[in-house]
Amino acid sequence: DIVMTQSPDSLAVSLGERATINCKSSQSVVDNSNNKNNLTWYQQKPGQPPKLLIYWASTRESGVPDRFSGSGSGTDFTLTISSLQAEDVAVYYCQQHYSPPITFGQGTRLEIK
Amino acid sequence: QVQLVESGGGLVKPGGSLSLSCAASGFLFRDFYMTWIRQSPGKGLEWVSDISSYTSHTKYADSVQGRFTISRDNAKNSLSLQMNSLRVEDTAIYYCARGLPGAVGWLDSWGQGTLVTVSS
Repeated sequence: DIVMTQSPDSLAVSLGERATINCKSSQSVVDNSNNKNNLTWYQQKPGQPPKLLIYWASTRESGVPDRFSGSGSGTDFTLTISSLQAEDVAVYYCQQHYSPPITFGQGTRLEIK
Repeated sequence: QVQLVESGGGLVKPGGSLSLSCAASGFLFRDFYMTWIRQSPGKGLEWVSDISSYTSHTKYADSVQGRFTISRDNAKNSLSLQMNSLRVEDTAIYYCARGLPGAVGWLDSWGQGTLVTVSS
C-alpha cells in the first residue's frame, strides 16, 4: 500500500497569515495516462465528516474558497491557505487514489495562534 | 443535492454482528463507486471497503477481510456493510462516501457517519 505522511502533525497560525501543510507519498502518484496527480485534500471540522477541498492535487472543488490551493507533483504535495480565517480551524487530510487501496495521511491539526 | 444517510450503528459485544446501511439520494447511484471509511475515536481516516458501480466488484482492507461484506442495491439506492466477528478495534464512526463513476478516486460526498462501539 502507498503510505501517505503529512507534516507537521499540528500547526498554529495567526489569523490572516499563511498556513502550509505538506504531504508525501511513498511512491509517485502520477497517472501517466493523463499526467495528473492522484492526490486529494480534505478538511474535517469537529463533529463533521470530511469535506472535499482539492482533487488532482490542485483543482479546487466547487464552492471552496480560493484562499485554499494545492500544489506539488510526484511524491511531494502542499496545501496552502493563503490567509487563515477562523472557520479554517480543522484537521486536514491528504489521500492518494493512484493505487488501490486508497490511503490517507495521518492528518494535520490546524489551530489559531 | 447529493445526500448519504447512514444507519445501523450501535453497541455490540466482541464477536457480535452489526449491519450498516447507507441511503443515497440526489444522484444516479448505480453509476458511482461507493466506499466505507471509518474513523476510530480521535484518530484518522481508514478505508474499509469499496464496491464498483455496475459489476459490484468488491475490495476490503486486510483488517476486515473475511469478516465484513459490502453490498449495494442499485434499485433501492442503498449501500450496506455486514460486519461479523466484531473486535474492540472495529470501534469507530463509519462513513459512507461516494467515489467516481469509474473508480474510487476522490470522495466528494460523505454521510454524517454512524457510530459502532464494540465493547463487553
